[in-house]
Amino acid sequence: EIVLTQSPGTLSLSPGERVTLSCRASQSVSGTYLAWYQQKPGQAPRLLIYGASSRATGIPDRFSGSGSGTDFTLTISRLEPEDSAVYYCQQYGSSPPHAFGQGTKLEIK
Amino acid sequence: EVQLVESGGGLVQSGGSLRLSCAASGFTFINYAMAWVRQAPGKGLEWVAVISGGSGNIYYADSVKGRFTISRANSKNTMYLQMNSLRAEDTALYYCAKETGYMVRGNYFDYWGQGTLVTVSS
Repeated sequence: EIVLTQSPGTLSLSPGERVTLSCRASQSVSGTYLAWYQQKPGQAPRLLIYGASSRATGIPDRFSGSGSGTDFTLTISRLEPEDSAVYYCQQYGSSPPHAFGQGTKLEIK
Repeated sequence: EVQLVESGGGLVQSGGSLRLSCAASGFTFINYAMAWVRQAPGKGLEWVAVISGGSGNIYYADSVKGRFTISRANSKNTMYLQMNSLRAEDTALYYCAKETGYMVRGNYFDYWGQGTLVTVSS
């Protein structure tokens, strides 16, 4: 069973800065089947990235994903106040069919 | 427009049962696998169960295996989660999520409902 570990747990940054969030898998993720979601307080998660690096419909190009194997990253360039949220990575190619990381909380001060 | 509307949550005693429903619209329901994902208060996301478009493939998280049953009625564009032997640790907001393909594996979640709250009292 694949376990996803995200880091850091929490971070606080300023508007305009750039941030890279990490997602490390306990074993290789099949076929770069790795997605990222954004969840704001009181809202359902929203798909940001799938296939490790493809942006979902309507997601600004400030968001980018990369990685393969066991190491993946989500980068947000030019942070905006509305980027405050919890970010989750998810694998969907191995057994069990789905697994989420524990999340990274991003605060824009 | 894709819409997913969950219902059936509520307060139940430990050991009790609940049946959640997810009514879907805006897409051809049978063509897509569907899943339940839960989130305990203040915690992260936990995948619970998933069912393929034709119900031929079903998987459960170890934490609910043997207690929860996922099903779907394609004629009604509705998915269900029968939850038995509920425990305090099952307390969570339960989301319905649409997968991006017919099969269970190799697909991610592109649409989510707003969730229905299940509270299990001990």
